[in-house]
Amino acid sequence: EAQVTQNPRYLITVTGKKLTVTCSQNMNHEYMSWYRQDPGLGLRQIYYSMNVEVTDKGDVPEGYKVSRKEKRNFPLILESPSPNQTSLYFCASSFYMNTEAFFGQGTRLTVV
Amino acid sequence: QKEVEQNSGPLSVPEGAIASLNCTYSDRGSQSFFWYRQYSGKSPELIMSIYSNGDKEDGRFTAQLNKASQYVSLLIRDSQPSDSATYLCALPRLGKLTFGKGITLSVRP
Repeated sequence: EAQVTQNPRYLITVTGKKLTVTCSQNMNHEYMSWYRQDPGLGLRQIYYSMNVEVTDKGDVPEGYKVSRKEKRNFPLILESPSPNQTSLYFCASSFYMNTEAFFGQGTRLTVV
Repeated sequence: QKEVEQNSGPLSVPEGAIASLNCTYSDRGSQSFFWYRQYSGKSPELIMSIYSNGDKEDGRFTAQLNKASQYVSLLIRDSQPSDSATYLCALPRLGKLTFGKGITLSVRP
């Protein structure tokens, strides 16, 4: 089954404790991205990747890191999480930048 | 003007009615447009893509694109309570999918 898989689905952590949210797709997509969704602010892109080893900042990259060492995986790293990073996070993938994106199930992160 | 605007909403329609959801955009060069449906707490799900002027139909859904007026709309015929969700308009721009804030649709039984 074609899908984008994120883990974990739910995460509660404390301020400053490094965490990684994993994202994997099995559709051989070139383009992957991370979004966060907050009430009243909609979906905002954090980082994106056009291919292996090619990543770039989105609209709200501060406090986040990403890497793309393999085509299928695009982890999101929060090295020192803060409460303002409490949000619903989505990974998405598509064949190319201008084509339909498919989303993972989401990760609800709470930083206390 | 914002890149993608969805100003109307929330929208409430009775079961069986036609729901009309609208989206305007600022970039005249945009070529691809997508409608996503998102249930509360769930991920966005692609329901329609449209690339050329005119209408595109898929079951009870019709997407309409008017590039001259820079708007794209989604019509849902014979609305069902299961259609109650937030509908997001999106278009690719500057390396990312840009989303509107969404329109929340409620279908009353």
